[in-house]
Amino acid sequence: QLQLQESGPGLVKPSETLSLTCTVSGGSISSSSYNWGWIRQPPGKGLEWIGSIYYSGTTYYNPSLESRVTISVDTSKNQFSLKLSSVTAADTAVYYCAIYRLSSRYFNFWGQGTLVTVSS
Amino acid sequence: SYELTQPPSVSVSPGQTASITCSGENLGDKYVCWYQQKPGQSPVLVIYQDSRRPSGIPERLSGSKSGNTATLTISGTQAMDEAEYYCQAGDTSTAVFGSGTKVTVL
Repeated sequence: QLQLQESGPGLVKPSETLSLTCTVSGGSISSSSYNWGWIRQPPGKGLEWIGSIYYSGTTYYNPSLESRVTISVDTSKNQFSLKLSSVTAADTAVYYCAIYRLSSRYFNFWGQGTLVTVSS
Repeated sequence: SYELTQPPSVSVSPGQTASITCSGENLGDKYVCWYQQKPGQSPVLVIYQDSRRPSGIPERLSGSKSGNTATLTISGTQAMDEAEYYCQAGDTSTAVFGSGTKVTVL
């Protein structure tokens, strides 16, 4: 069964860049059946889709974050990554990576999530 | 931007039926799925393709859609069903989540 694990700093200073990596195990990130996505959830709030990437490198971003987001994939390491620039306190959230099944348009496997706090 | 609207909260007595709605423009043309999230846990898919249940999800959770409104129904609600529920719709490139509904089992 596919498993995902987020990793990266839990504390980022305002105006700096948040960087997270998701490592995929139990399957290949080069599958044509999936996109690989990032979702976040501010404390006490709802889920927000950040963006997704196909194994070929094609990216899709939430228009509200597009100017600050970069998602990339490293098929040799079975990993994909998120960079969010110019962060503020509003970017404090639990960040999840997840697998998006293209045929049915749902996230069927999620990582455990990692809390990233933006604070000086 | 595309939005999905859910009621903020639903209360239900044990053994009764809870219904959560999710509405959005042209939702009838999209697949809808539902996630259950308990405090401190990652979301879990409970319904996909409007009404299909993944393996391991109890039959008391069911989904339906009529026009531009999707509904998650919990029949014979149990204490373990108390959670936040999110609907989600999307296409091959983007995904949108509803605002979430807190289900409280009284």
